[in-house]
Amino acid sequence: SQQGEEDPQALSIQEGENATMNCSYKTSINNLQWYRQNSGRGLVHLILIRSNEREKHSGRLRVTLDTSKKSSSLLITASRAADTASYFCATGRLSQKLVFGQGTRLTINP
Amino acid sequence: GAVVSQHPSWVICKSGTSVKIECRSLDFQATTMFWYRQFPKQSLMLMATSNEGSKATYEQGVEKDKFLINHASLTLSTLTVTSAHPEDSSFYICSARAPGLARTDTQYFGPGTRLTVL
Repeated sequence: SQQGEEDPQALSIQEGENATMNCSYKTSINNLQWYRQNSGRGLVHLILIRSNEREKHSGRLRVTLDTSKKSSSLLITASRAADTASYFCATGRLSQKLVFGQGTRLTINP
Repeated sequence: GAVVSQHPSWVICKSGTSVKIECRSLDFQATTMFWYRQFPKQSLMLMATSNEGSKATYEQGVEKDKFLINHASLTLSTLTVTSAHPEDSSFYICSARAPGLARTDTQYFGPGTRLTVL
């Protein structure tokens, strides 16, 4: 069963604005990862945050993790049209499978 | 680095035929590969975990005789959809994990294969 639940399911914003997506999960994890998927394509790994980390940055991406609330957020700053895609969170335990959330469909309007 | 390829990228076949999809890790050795299925506008559903040289571990509800997985080498895993039916039409994605890479928990995904069964 899917462990990650993402919110919102769809998000449409203007280019240049910031986009925030949230992910909640149910059980204990070793790490949480965010992936991007362009329509009809495979997934691209964006960022991994470990359970003992609270915040991580990568370029215009900022990920937070709150293990007490079993939630994570992905912030994309200064959005661009090329950021239009579906974003998935995935929870993992060391050396075991990933469980994906339902995803957030992000649309950046020019 | 960490590139995963899939072949073919799309395939159309007649009902009752078998289709083989290949997943290759191009620049690293993948001890573990995963096969996912994705329906339109939905998330990825893990079908099976494939370890080199051993039998695949299938998720609950996935028919192992229907979806044959072979991981014969550290760079190649194949998924064969046997006796395909229209309900098998979907987007199939593989991923690979390599313990030797820095991010051992990261999976590297192939571009996917769209299967359409007529």
